[in-house]
Amino acid sequence: NAGVTQTPKFQVLKTGQSMTLQCAQDMNHEYMSWYRQDPGMGLRLIHYSVGAGITDQGEVPNGYNVSRSTTEDFPLRLLSAAPSQTSVYFCASTPHGADTQYFGPGTRLTVL
Amino acid sequence: AQRVTQPEKLLSVFKGAPVELKCNYSYSGSPELFWYVQYSRQRLQLLLRHISRESIKGFTADLNKGETSFHLKKPFAQEEDSAMYYCALSGPGGGSTLGRLYFGRGTQLTVWP
Repeated sequence: NAGVTQTPKFQVLKTGQSMTLQCAQDMNHEYMSWYRQDPGMGLRLIHYSVGAGITDQGEVPNGYNVSRSTTEDFPLRLLSAAPSQTSVYFCASTPHGADTQYFGPGTRLTVL
Repeated sequence: AQRVTQPEKLLSVFKGAPVELKCNYSYSGSPELFWYVQYSRQRLQLLLRHISRESIKGFTADLNKGETSFHLKKPFAQEEDSAMYYCALSGPGGGSTLGRLYFGRGTQLTVWP
């Protein structure tokens, strides 16, 4: 198993550009989440999903969209990038009935 | 609202010394608490969970509901323990919301030789 994979590893955007951060897991996990990690702020939940077709907002959802059309994939879309969205983004998945989250390697995003 | 507080941003100890990373929480129900660790250039990973009352890599953590704390302890720190440690709390709703974790700001532990 590859576990949780994220692409790209690094990305630089200009203000106003849009892009999609990809996240995939091959463990058939039901739950998936997106977090952003900022210095001194820890990890904050952006959006999460409890199954295909079901998503909900976390602590800091503004400026981000998600969808979950399959169990495996959970892309995060930045609609119009802003410098405040410069961060490291982590995707995580959790199997149903368990409490351990498995994290991807992260995507480092810089918005100029 | 749920909140996790890690008061120490940085913590340094010498090898062989005891170490305690503090975590306090606020939560209106019965919390599920975890410690996650991120070693340099590695993924964030679960270290231990309060519900299993286990010792992992010599670390233990006891949930103190009276003090709303979940401090992480190790009696003899090792250099390989140097990492960023995050305390986390599972959101409300139990099993249906296990995709949600609320993290503290993290404590960077450095163990000197």
